Order: sequence, then C-alpha cells, then structure tokens
Amino acid sequence: GNSVTQMEGPVTLSEEAFLTINCTYTATGYPSLFWYVQYPGEGLQLLLKATKADDKGSNKGFEATYRKETTSFHLEKGSVQVSDSAVYFCALSVTKSGGSNYKLTFGKGTLLTVNP
Amino acid sequence: NAGVTQTPKFQVLKTGQSMTLQCAQDMNHNSMYWYRQDPGMGLRLIYYSASEGTTDKGEVPNGYNVSRLNKREFSLRLESAAPSQTSVYFCASRGLAYNEQFFGPGTRLTVL
Repeated sequence: GNSVTQMEGPVTLSEEAFLTINCTYTATGYPSLFWYVQYPGEGLQLLLKATKADDKGSNKGFEATYRKETTSFHLEKGSVQVSDSAVYFCALSVTKSGGSNYKLTFGKGTLLTVNP
Repeated sequence: NAGVTQTPKFQVLKTGQSMTLQCAQDMNHNSMYWYRQDPGMGLRLIYYSASEGTTDKGEVPNGYNVSRLNKREFSLRLESAAPSQTSVYFCASRGLAYNEQFFGPGTRLTVL
C-alpha cells in the first residue's frame, strides 16, 4: 500500500534559521507529491507540489524536490520567519488503474514553531 | 470565489445525538472528500465521492454516513454520536489537474 513518513516534531527554530522537514514515501505506481500547511485554527492549504521525478516544487520561499531514487520529498526553506509557524503535512496521491478515485495519503504532520 | 465551505464551525453534542455536517464547493470539482484530524494521527479519510451519485468508504467509515446531494454538496452524518468521534472534520474537493485537493476551514466537534 501507499504510505508517507515524515519527521516527528515539534521543530523549534529561531527566525532566519534554515529549515528541513524530511519526508519519505512508499507507493505503488508513480505518485504525485505534495506539501500542505495548516496554520492554527485553519484548514490545510496546498504549499507546493511535484508530479514527476526530479521536479522541484516551490512557493513562498519553500522548496522540495521529488527524488525517485531515494523516495523522498524533503521540505526546505533558507530563512524561516515567525509567520511560518504551522503544521506541515507531506502527502502523495497515486492514480488507480482506470484513472479514477484519486485519494491523498498523508503523513502525520510536523509542528514548526519559529521564535523571534 | 468561496472555494470549499463548511458548516457549522463548532458543535457540541451529547452521546447518542445525531447531526449532519455540511460541505459545499463552487469550483465545479467532481471529487469530494471527508477527513477527520486527531492529534498524532494526521488526517484520515472517512468517505469520498469520486463523482456525483457515487460514494465510497475510506479508512475510518464506521459510525458515519454520507450523501452527495449534487455536484456542489457533500454532507457527513453522524447517526448516534460517540465520544470517540470528537475530532476536527475537514471537507475537501479535488482539482482537475495533478490530484491536488482544496480544503474547507473545518468543523470542530465535541461529543460529551
């Protein structure tokens, strides 16, 4: 089956520090990979995505590269801000044969706190 | 453009009571989903609807029913609420490209 494993938190950083949140996956077929962010009291928002090997997704200074050889999709940001404090979820989806029923499989989430 | 909307935002129930969580999307998406989020568990899929007129069970369907009322609306019903159903419930719809999903703001449900 499909699964996503991401580093357990919480992660606490100082402002302007470098961020890495590790994510690895197992999947049947060729998945699309996503990072979602959840700010306190809100729903999940798509942060970035990559749909094939070696693609790099980027948004708001965050980046992640789809590495098929290591089955990884690590999230990075060069300089975090207090406003980046949130829970980050790695997720994948795989198209079933016949092209229907696209379901997301999520990791358990990583809480990031950035201190001024 | 409201995206995905959910009502209510908060609800407190007593054990055995019933209620329906409402979800609507205005993006003309075919597929819609209901998840629950619990601490340390991430998001777990309860039910989904690949298209209007179809529904399927996800990982944790027990104690829930769903109705895909039309293309826009997908409701989740708890027939007899239990404390184990205390959770945050999210509705989502799937975009037309790359399988990305768009989430509503959530319903925070407490069952006493």
